[in-house]
Amino acid sequence: NAGVTQTPKFRVLKTGQSMTLLCAQDMNHEYMYWYRQDPGMGLRLIHYSVGEGTTAKGEVPDGYNVSRLKKQNFLLGLESAAPSQTSVYFCASSRTGLYEQFFGPGTRLTVL
Amino acid sequence: ELKVEQNPLFLSMQEGKNYTIYCNYSTTSDRLYWYRQDPGKSLESLFVLLSNGAVKQEGRLMASLDTKARLSTLHITAAVHDLSATYFCAVMEYGNKLVFGAGTILRVKS
Repeated sequence: NAGVTQTPKFRVLKTGQSMTLLCAQDMNHEYMYWYRQDPGMGLRLIHYSVGEGTTAKGEVPDGYNVSRLKKQNFLLGLESAAPSQTSVYFCASSRTGLYEQFFGPGTRLTVL
Repeated sequence: ELKVEQNPLFLSMQEGKNYTIYCNYSTTSDRLYWYRQDPGKSLESLFVLLSNGAVKQEGRLMASLDTKARLSTLHITAAVHDLSATYFCAVMEYGNKLVFGAGTILRVKS
């Protein structure tokens, strides 16, 4: 099992450009999450999904959109990137909301 | 709004010594998780604590949960260099979402 994978691993964008981060899991988990990690701030929840076709806002959703068209995939979109979105993005999944979350390897995004 | 505070935020310790990392949280919860992160890497699950009084041990690490005090501890026994990493606690809040502490950077010096 690959667990949780993320694509791409690194990306540099210019302000105003758009991009999509892809998260895939092969554990048949219902819940999936997107976090951002900034120095000294731990992880903050951007959006999450409790099942295929559902999404919900987390703590810091502004400037991001998500979609969960298939159970195994969770996409995070930036429509118009800003320097404040420079961060490391982690995807995670869990069997349900009560179980531990398994994290992907992360995507390091720089917005110039 | 749930707040999670870890202390210390940075810990430098000698090999062979013992120390404790504290995780305090502001509202009621009975589920707490500890994760480890190596530099440039992802998060690895260490412990899942599901009830008051829960204690879990793995090697030189032991975690406990006191839901009445809203406190979890991660105790390190006889530290070794391989334990150097950043340790996060995360607390489950209403709606099955995790709120993370800022992390404790642990450096074990030989």
